[in-house]
Amino acid sequence: QKEVEQDPGPLSVPEGAIVSLNCTYSNSAFQYFMWYRQYSRKGPELLMYTYSSGNKEDGRFTAQVDKSSKYISLFIRDSQPSDSATYLCAMREGRGADGLTFGKGTHLIIQP
Amino acid sequence: DAEITQSPRHKITETGRQVTLACHQTWNHNNMFWYRQDLGHGLRLIHYSYGVQDTNKGEVSDGYSVSRSNTEDLPLTLESAASSQTSVYFCASSKQSGVWDTQYFGPGTRLTVL
Repeated sequence: QKEVEQDPGPLSVPEGAIVSLNCTYSNSAFQYFMWYRQYSRKGPELLMYTYSSGNKEDGRFTAQVDKSSKYISLFIRDSQPSDSATYLCAMREGRGADGLTFGKGTHLIIQP
Repeated sequence: DAEITQSPRHKITETGRQVTLACHQTWNHNNMFWYRQDLGHGLRLIHYSYGVQDTNKGEVSDGYSVSRSNTEDLPLTLESAASSQTSVYFCASSKQSGVWDTQYFGPGTRLTVL
């Protein structure tokens, strides 16, 4: 079993819908959780960064972490065609110098 | 503006050749990382460095090497390229070791080994 599981999709939703993206993980030592967005043929860019359990909101984006269930989510409200991209969850155990463990990424398509 | 760049952006090589991919960052970040991204596997860590003269192996380091002679650069060398190393390679950097420090990624190098 891979450390981080993420449904690759594609996930296709109409413009304006609420999108829910999820990852599960097996390593209980993970404490820091990130969501990256990657457009086609580009490098990943950091979208959200959370620590331990709880919620974090930034504009239309909300990140949730449930460490007891080893489950993290990213919600996108009022989705736009420009949100169409691959969304990668990533996590690490401790300090910022550690490498990240990534999910495979979910390909999201927002239909105009 | 500070940034992280990779070169070349595209490379085609033959099996058995030595290949070096360049990564350069102008943020003066201590930490630098190399990942590869493959369909069905996501991003996987190859090597990383915490500073000059420091290098460490990641999850998929076999067949790769790095050296860190200055803060700005971390070149990745494929000693003898294999078809299994056809991939997209991303370099990343982060400032220090603080728990809130995050990694910033370059634009990637698409490598094809024939």
